[in-house]
Amino acid sequence: AQSVTQPDIHITVSEGASLELRCNYSYGATPYLFWYVQSPGQGLQLLLKYFSGDTLVQGIKGFEAEFKRSQSSFNLRKPSVHWSDAAEYFCAVGGLIVRNSGAGSYQLTFGKGTKLSVIP
Amino acid sequence: KAGVTQTPRYLIKTRGQQVTLSCSPISGHRSVSWYQQTPGQGLQFLFEYFSETQRNKGNFPGRFSGRQFSNSRSEMNVSTLELGDSALYLCASSLASGQPQHFGDGTRLSIL
Repeated sequence: AQSVTQPDIHITVSEGASLELRCNYSYGATPYLFWYVQSPGQGLQLLLKYFSGDTLVQGIKGFEAEFKRSQSSFNLRKPSVHWSDAAEYFCAVGGLIVRNSGAGSYQLTFGKGTKLSVIP
Repeated sequence: KAGVTQTPRYLIKTRGQQVTLSCSPISGHRSVSWYQQTPGQGLQFLFEYFSETQRNKGNFPGRFSGRQFSNSRSEMNVSTLELGDSALYLCASSLASGQPQHFGDGTRLSIL
């Protein structure tokens, strides 16, 4: 079964500081990996995705993430945090689920999220 | 291009009632997935529909059901509501299974 672990429940950084949010996944093959951000009262917005190829992925809002197969990690980074980045961040793994019927579909499994607070 | 639209945004129900939530996907998206989000359990997968067929189902009781129409719009139904069903229900659409999912703002369901 696939799973995602986000070890940090809450992180606080100062505006302008660098940021790294950790994500570890468990999946038997090469997974699809995603980072989403959720602001209060809203749905999830896709920041970036990894399907294959270059292990360093660029996303929106200045975020990037690096896929490290040897460490089963997909950490999210930003060189300089802005106050508007305060939100909750979710890492997700997409893996193929094959049912008894033989039909398959991809299912997203999310981590518990990391809440980011930014000090002005 | 309009995003994923979920209606209603807020709902208050009492135990034992049933509820139907609606989701209109992004135009051209044929896959619709539903998730339940609670502070304790986080985001949990409910089910996925593609071309009016349920492709995948999470570990939820049979009180939770859904369907998808020919225009890809989807509905989720919860019967015999329990207090623990209070949650934010999120719908996400994608071009196909495995493609990036785009989320709506959710329906906040409160059970009294």
